[in-house]
Amino acid sequence: DQQVKQNSPSLSVQEGRISILNCDYTNSMFDYFLWYKKYPAEGPTFLISISSIKDKNEDGRFTVFLNKSAKHLSLHIVPSQPGDSAVYFCAARQSSASKIIFGSGTRLSIRP
Amino acid sequence: NAGVMQNPRHLVRRRGQEARLRCSPMKGHSHVYWYRQLPEEGLKFMVYLQKENIIDESGMPKERFSAEFPKEGPSILRIQQVVRGDSAAYFCASSPSTRSNEQFFGPGTRLTVL
Repeated sequence: DQQVKQNSPSLSVQEGRISILNCDYTNSMFDYFLWYKKYPAEGPTFLISISSIKDKNEDGRFTVFLNKSAKHLSLHIVPSQPGDSAVYFCAARQSSASKIIFGSGTRLSIRP
Repeated sequence: NAGVMQNPRHLVRRRGQEARLRCSPMKGHSHVYWYRQLPEEGLKFMVYLQKENIIDESGMPKERFSAEFPKEGPSILRIQQVVRGDSAAYFCASSPSTRSNEQFFGPGTRLTVL
């Protein structure tokens, strides 16, 4: 039972353009959402998060959008840079629970 | 300000042996979480511990796996009688409190069972 789904295993974007990574969830009890970035042979690094009481959170080149009615969130990266090439994990949690539920990840490749 | 430390980074075991994975949380963090990542999959929660207590072990396999976080020293994830299916990357994360929404991850231990 996959509660957090990332349906695109990979995405290729030209340098300088916008990267949009999508994520869907099924558990309406989730009230906090996170994006992690992971390079090969390293642990995930926290990127940006959003509470369910908001619909947008922006941090520099990264913006996360949350559509609660659709149970959908997305991560926008603009402009995309070569160093953004990595696997991006969408994740969610309930404030009352300790664990984070991860999606399967999207491998983003930024091409010159 | 050191991050989450895990060792060893790579561990090779033969079937039937024991694997011990260690995790030292970030300074000031008393909450430790273990996750497992199988090839081409996301991270799956295994267990959540505070000092000397297991809080949530809902993701731990029923047999052969155990975890501890003693008063002194690192957290240990122990896998007895390893099988090939245990081959995975095991990540530890820590947070300062249960109210903290972010968890900070270590570099992982890659376990290979021959």
